[in-house]
Amino acid sequence: DTGVSQDPRHKITKRGQNVTFRCDPISEHNRLYWYRQTLGQGPEFLTYFQNEAQLEKSRLLSDRFSAERPKGSFSTLEIQRTEQGDSAMYLCASSLGERADSYEQYFGPGTRLTVT
Amino acid sequence: DAKTTQPPSMDCAEGRAANLPCNHSTISGNEYVYWYRQIHSQGPQYIIHGLKNNETNEMASLIITEDRKSSTLILPHATLRDTAVYYCIVRVRPSTSGTYKYIFGTGTRLKVLA
Repeated sequence: DTGVSQDPRHKITKRGQNVTFRCDPISEHNRLYWYRQTLGQGPEFLTYFQNEAQLEKSRLLSDRFSAERPKGSFSTLEIQRTEQGDSAMYLCASSLGERADSYEQYFGPGTRLTVT
Repeated sequence: DAKTTQPPSMDCAEGRAANLPCNHSTISGNEYVYWYRQIHSQGPQYIIHGLKNNETNEMASLIITEDRKSSTLILPHATLRDTAVYYCIVRVRPSTSGTYKYIFGTGTRLKVLA
């Protein structure tokens, strides 16, 4: 399967601990996105990379959150000093190119974070 | 803020067509409508998208009204595996970063009944 993969699929951590998630996009996709989804809600945009450059961050992304895509391939999302409100599904998506008429994003299975 | 409004839930009999409506009355002229679905505990899956013409692919059909203020996703022969949350999304204008962004609403929970 050459789709978007995420690791781990589930993470349980205690409040105050740091966690890091990894996303491997579809290999030829140069654009990568992180979303957060809480129970009963649709995904909310967090941040976006074009190749290795982080070009946009949502106001949802507090100072405790940092994302990287060092070589323009995989990406990591780190949450420092986790809080119970960080409990959510973290989704990664990737897309190819800049065509205005075809810009679908392909999503990974997500990492479900539970902060106790 | 979400730019789409969908009914929170719908039921459909297996084998029948499922018609999922979406209102996007504030859509701008060059903003596309996308549909995704999310099966429990999985990431959203792309279904179809369109600008102003009706579209059809192997999964579904998308009917967009002439004024573009609403659309309907049609699953022609629903199966139990189509049970999912369906999101109607407006892809907003490029931001300063040049990327298109999806604005998700809360979706429609479709339950296909045997």
